[in-house]
Amino acid sequence: QSALTQPRSVSGSPGQSVTLSCTGTSSDVGGYKYVSWYQQHPGKAPKLMIYDVSERPSGVPDRFSGSKSGNTASLTISGLQAEDEADYYCFSYAGSYTYVVFGGGTKLTVL
Amino acid sequence: QVQLQESGPGLVKPSETLSLTCTVSGGSISNFYWSWFWQPPGKGLEWIGYVYYNGNTNYNPSFKGRVTISVDTSSNQFSLNLSSVTTADTAVYYCARGKYSGSFDYWGQGTLVTVSS
Repeated sequence: QSALTQPRSVSGSPGQSVTLSCTGTSSDVGGYKYVSWYQQHPGKAPKLMIYDVSERPSGVPDRFSGSKSGNTASLTISGLQAEDEADYYCFSYAGSYTYVVFGGGTKLTVL
Repeated sequence: QVQLQESGPGLVKPSETLSLTCTVSGGSISNFYWSWFWQPPGKGLEWIGYVYYNGNTNYNPSFKGRVTISVDTSSNQFSLNLSSVTTADTAVYYCARGKYSGSFDYWGQGTLVTVSS
């Protein structure tokens, strides 16, 4: 049982926008501005897509954006492309004792 | 460009200790939280724990008692030991560079470790 709750699957058509959610508590998502999102294609290592709720690492397309409201963080992918089909995981800082908690992942299908 | 590379046996017998090493190149091992993750077949990612460059550690409670993570700054390496393994420990193991904020910006390619007699 993961500490953060993510929908198991989300789908969208090419060109559309989709939003993936990640729900935690006031001890993690709601308590810090430190949520990160990772994309993982089958058989590949995870790739950092968003950090510190809404910051994009160099090289990540601006189609990917992050936000947070209360205890729920969101990853929005606009202009959906076939290569966006992957699993997406959210992590949240949870204090110096726990360090990090994570979600079970969402499978994004591009129809 | 920072690169991480896992190494170690791909097959471990039940009840033995799984040992993996992650070699860091292209950057200093200082001031980061060097972490291990695992991903059982068909399942999600799970954080195992980290070693800070000064040797401080923090482990996921799910693994406490069985896991040890250590760092060798002179070799730019850090290691994972997981004791008393069972077939349930069969997984792809990843090493990654963590920041204070709990984000992980560089990852190894992952290594499959199978626990089987």
